[in-house]
Amino acid sequence: EPEVTQTPSHQVTQMGQEVILRCVPISNHLYFYWYRQILGQKVEFLVSFYNNEISEKSEIFDDQFSVERPDGSNFTLKIRSTKLEDSAMYFCASRRAVIGEQFFGPGTRLTVL
Amino acid sequence: SQQGEEDPQALSIQEGENATMNCSYKTSINNLQWYRQNSGRGLVHLILIRSNEREKHSGRLRVTLDTSKKSSSLLITASRAADTASYFCATDDYFGNEKLTFGTGTRLTIIP
Repeated sequence: EPEVTQTPSHQVTQMGQEVILRCVPISNHLYFYWYRQILGQKVEFLVSFYNNEISEKSEIFDDQFSVERPDGSNFTLKIRSTKLEDSAMYFCASRRAVIGEQFFGPGTRLTVL
Repeated sequence: SQQGEEDPQALSIQEGENATMNCSYKTSINNLQWYRQNSGRGLVHLILIRSNEREKHSGRLRVTLDTSKKSSSLLITASRAADTASYFCATDDYFGNEKLTFGTGTRLTIIP
């Protein structure tokens, strides 16, 4: 069964460093998302992406964040200058149509030291 | 209460018993989805129920939706140790905004 994959599973970085989190959505899906979950807290929406552009973003998704679909399969989240409070589990999700099931990847645990 | 708030926050039952979790939300929705998360792991999609549906079944899962009360319930029948996980409801927006708003989750523990 097709699934969303994410790499790396765990990323440790120093504060101020740039990180890129990678995702491969399900192949026939058209809508892509990033969410994050700070330890012990709710899953929070970051950004949605469709037709090579951001369709919606949350307040969390400030200028330090960017997303890109560099080719036909990958979907990346870049944090330019990480802060301690960026430490969280980051989930990529995709869905085929604008309304319907969103399928999540296994997540990347980002630890900022 | 916040959009997508589950109760109870934690539930412990004996293996073989049924587990019921509830979710309340505030705004009108198109769909409500339930997810499972094993400790520190990813979100596994369980079931989606549309706003015009009242009940849906999938294997040992039964989901109900009451849009007049803005609430949903997830019933897991004949629970197994492997069902131990956190369960979240997530809603999207009636006006077609794509993002999902997640609840706080119910931590379910199945005692063998």
